Amino acid sequence: QITLKESGPTLVKPTQTLTLTCTLSGFSFNTDGVGVGWIRQPPGEALEWLALIYWNNDKRYNPSLKSRLTITKDTSKDQVVLTMTNMDPVDTATYFCAHRSTVRGIFEYWGQGALVTVSS
Amino acid sequence: HSVLTQPPSASGTPGQRVTISCSGSSSNIGSDFVYWYQQLPGTAPKLLIYRNDQRPSGVPDRFSGSKSGTSASLAISGLRSEDEAHYYCAAWDGTLSGYVFGTGTKVTVL
Repeated sequence: QITLKESGPTLVKPTQTLTLTCTLSGFSFNTDGVGVGWIRQPPGEALEWLALIYWNNDKRYNPSLKSRLTITKDTSKDQVVLTMTNMDPVDTATYFCAHRSTVRGIFEYWGQGALVTVSS
Repeated sequence: HSVLTQPPSASGTPGQRVTISCSGSSSNIGSDFVYWYQQLPGTAPKLLIYRNDQRPSGVPDRFSGSKSGTSASLAISGLRSEDEAHYYCAAWDGTLSGYVFGTGTKVTVL
């Protein structure tokens, strides 16, 4: 059973750096084609893809946010970490991590999401 | 933010058929697969359709997907009250080298 769980601060101040951790279970990150991505959703708004890291450490970023994002994985800890610099109130959103399988071609298993509020 | 365009709302009575459109471009829908998600309030999105028209196990066959050119559609037949949710399309965009999501459609069961 594949599960993912996001953890991190619920409140950050403007200009600070956000660090979110996604803890994985039920699958191997060593399987060809497997990836873990981050997607966010501001309150009442649509989903926005942020970043994706593949089993081979290949990384993809949303071009509009690329300069602020870093995605890494720690296979020994079964974790994927997303950092976003220079946070702004418009970055207030629920942040999801999700598992991408080769079979489906997109994110099938999602974490419950973590609400991050940016406010001074 | 959204690259794919959907109507903001759709509605129908129980038993009816509802169709949701998703409009993209040659760099996403026109050149790759389309995916559909259902999101109930306060929950994570659930994958309904992958690779244009495939359903994961457990998704009722009332949900069907199709694609033509740079547009795609999700059809819900035999509408039920539990289908009331937001629906999002998604695709890989070769120019952006990443996933793009639709603007979302709220389906209301009257």
